[in-house]
This record gives sequence, C-alpha cells and structure tokens, in this order.
Amino acid sequence: GIQVEQSPPDLILQEGANSTLRCNFSDSVNNLQWFHQNPWGQLINLFYIPSGTKQNGRLSATTVATERYSLLYISSSQTTDSGVYFCAVEQQGGSEKLVFGKGTKLTVNP
Amino acid sequence: SAVISQKPSRDICQRGTSLTIQCQVDSQVTMMFWYRQQPGQSLTLIATANQGSEATYESGFVIDKFPISRPNLTFSTLTVSNMSPEDSSIYLCSVDTGGTDTQYFGPGTRLTVL
Repeated sequence: GIQVEQSPPDLILQEGANSTLRCNFSDSVNNLQWFHQNPWGQLINLFYIPSGTKQNGRLSATTVATERYSLLYISSSQTTDSGVYFCAVEQQGGSEKLVFGKGTKLTVNP
Repeated sequence: SAVISQKPSRDICQRGTSLTIQCQVDSQVTMMFWYRQQPGQSLTLIATANQGSEATYESGFVIDKFPISRPNLTFSTLTVSNMSPEDSSIYLCSVDTGGTDTQYFGPGTRLTVL
C-alpha cells in the first residue's frame, strides 16, 4: 500500500516563529488532507489539498502531486498551534480510505 | 461539513468485558469509517461501514473482535469485544461527505482497559 512519511517528527518553536511541515507519499493520490490534533484528541480539518495551494489565515498548504509531496506552512505561530499535525492520503483507486502519516508533534512555547 | 458526535467520550473498563461506541452524524452519509489511535501513535483504519452491507475490515482487524453496525445513514456503532489492556486507545469515527471527499472526524472515545 501507499506509504506516507512526515517530517520532522518533532518541532519546538518560540511564539511568533514560522515553520514548514512536510509530507511525502509513495504513489498517486485522489485526496490529501492535513489535520491538526489538539491536546484533547480532536482532529480538526485544516486543508483538503490533493494539488495546488490554499491559504487559511496564518496557515497555508501546497501539494505538488507530480513530485508526491505536500507542505504545510505555519506563520507567526501561537501557543494554540501546539499539537500533532497529520497528513493523510487516499490512494487512487483506494475506496476513500485514508492512510495517515505518523505526524509532526509541534510545541509552541510562549 | 458534518457535525459528528460520539458516545461515550471516555471510559475505563475491565479486561474481558465489551464496550459499544456510538457515532451519530447530523446528515446522511454513505460511508462511515472507524479508526484506532493507540497511545502516541498515528491513526489506523479498522473498517469501513456502509449502510445496508457488511463492514469491510482492514488487515489485522476481525469482525469477532470489532463488530460494527450501520442501521441507517446517520448512525453507526463499534463494539470492542473481550477487551485487553492492548485495546486501550482512542477510537474515532469519520464520515465522507462526498463531493470533495473530505473526511470529518468525531471527537473520539478514549478507552482505558485495566
């Protein structure tokens, strides 16, 4: 099956810093989503982005499908950005099943 | 989007018992999914539940251990049977709302087995 690798596994920032999270995947995808899991375990949809670029406030994401990677940018980070960021993909022909990466654990210190 | 609720939000259970987790969606959806997240780990798909048909289980998960019901287009249950401490996890349901194929997740059920 498809492999999803996220980097870095851990990231510690000071409030106000910018960061880039990466997601590599091993095959063509129909769907790619970025999620934020807050400290209470809730998974929040950030982006549905199988290709192209999207922005939502301080967050933006870019997926280059032909090169099989996606990037999540966080600008001017805040303590509330802390948590685990997951990339999940649906392989082409994969019946809407999402395969998750192992996540990037982000800690933003005040 | 979709609003999804799960019950219970958390539970502590004794080994050998079973727990049924409920997932309710505020709109009709074709596909519902059940995931497990073991402590400190990523999410792993247990099964896909479509209304009117048997659930489809992923490798490593069996119906006897994780029976699933899907009686209508807004509701599903997952039972964790004959629990052991290794079943301690967060169990999450998700739905595919169609259209853009974006999946939305419920708040999860945090299960601890003693």
